[in-house]
Amino acid sequence: GQSLEQPSEVTAVEGAIVQINCTYQTSGFYGLSWYQQHDGGAPTFLSYNALDGLEETGRFSSFLSRSDSYGYLLLQELQMKDSASYFCAVAPNTGGFKTIFGAGTRLFVKA
Amino acid sequence: EPEVTQTPSHQVTQMGQEVILRCVPISNHLYFYWYRQILGQKVEFLVSFYNNEISEKSEIFDDQFSVERPDGSNFTLKIRSTKLEDSAMYFCASSLDRGNTEAFFGQGTRLTVV
Repeated sequence: GQSLEQPSEVTAVEGAIVQINCTYQTSGFYGLSWYQQHDGGAPTFLSYNALDGLEETGRFSSFLSRSDSYGYLLLQELQMKDSASYFCAVAPNTGGFKTIFGAGTRLFVKA
Repeated sequence: EPEVTQTPSHQVTQMGQEVILRCVPISNHLYFYWYRQILGQKVEFLVSFYNNEISEKSEIFDDQFSVERPDGSNFTLKIRSTKLEDSAMYFCASSLDRGNTEAFFGQGTRLTVV
């Protein structure tokens, strides 16, 4: 089967850097994605890693290591509005277009 | 900016009734999805749709559920004989490419079964 593990909660202060880890167990997948979801809102795409290494998009960066079955989302210069849930997700290369989400990490940004 | 739109935003239905949730994906997207999120829990994949047919479905997507693309713009999820445990937020999403490269989600339909 496929599963993704994320910490349930992370707390950080405004202006800091925070890393949200995601470890996964899946036999094969196209890539690792990250989504942000504010309370009552829809998931919003943040980043995607098809290959190993670091992808940078503004204040957000994402990393993937297939050999370690591990990835992370790095948020820099934290702002209060970054308080939200963050989900990692994989699309198994099973022939269809299924996406499996992790349970999510709730980020609390304090002043 | 193009967006995925879903209607209604909130649906209340009696147990045993049928509901149809509607979605208009982004016009040039090729892949369509339905997801479910029970309050406070993770997003769960239900079904993906490509080239006018189901590409993959999860264990949740049993005979109670069906999807349809009745015309060139709408994408619907039908839930028959609703149960209390079907109460959840249902999200439609679409993407230009396969997998999860960048999927755009609608704002969701909150389904409450009473």
